[in-house]
Amino acid sequence: DAGITQSPRHKVTETGTPVTLRCHQTENHRYMYWYRQDPGHGLRLIHYSYGVKDTDKGEVSDGYSVSRSKTEDFLLTLESATSSQTSVYFCAMRPATTNYGYTFGSGTRLTVV
Amino acid sequence: DAKTTQPTSMDCAEGRAANLPCNHSTISGNEYVYWYRQIHSQGPQYIIHGLKNNETNEMASLIITEDRKSSTLILPHATLRDTAVYYCIVPNFGNEKLTFGTGTRLTIIP
Repeated sequence: DAGITQSPRHKVTETGTPVTLRCHQTENHRYMYWYRQDPGHGLRLIHYSYGVKDTDKGEVSDGYSVSRSKTEDFLLTLESATSSQTSVYFCAMRPATTNYGYTFGSGTRLTVV
Repeated sequence: DAKTTQPTSMDCAEGRAANLPCNHSTISGNEYVYWYRQIHSQGPQYIIHGLKNNETNEMASLIITEDRKSSTLILPHATLRDTAVYYCIVPNFGNEKLTFGTGTRLTIIP
């Protein structure tokens, strides 16, 4: 979507390898989020950030870490990828002034083999 | 977050109004109702939100009952491009995070 991009769009990796997904925004929004989506589960929140260097856990944070050293970038790292982390990952952002109007990226499809 | 209940799936004829219901009987007085949709394999898209008054924008209308325990999203003239999963969300007041359930899969029939 406009103002937010995810990279890579697709990735295949081997079990046990580290993987970093990147979310980049150009809107200077304060809040950013990482979700994963699996069949039958809808979207589940992994981690979110409410400012530079300010992050917190979501409902499915085990096995994931995040970093936000700049407003525009929010990185999601799988320290040692497992097959259960095969999923579609979505990044989202919103401004601090509203609690609605999340803008989502186009997603990253990650396959762990 | 307040629990929401939506039908798993619905069909609607192209050109007709699509009415998507959502029950949120545990909603608190200061909690908003948000609607998003997700078209196949894309990221979710914000549609509309409301507190207690009916709301309308260029995409849809939101009707909230007087007791606020349920709401209906209305797509006035559904097109094939409205085929998507629609999510009704009621986050706890002050909650900075949206929790998505499994939503309603709306299929527009030609």
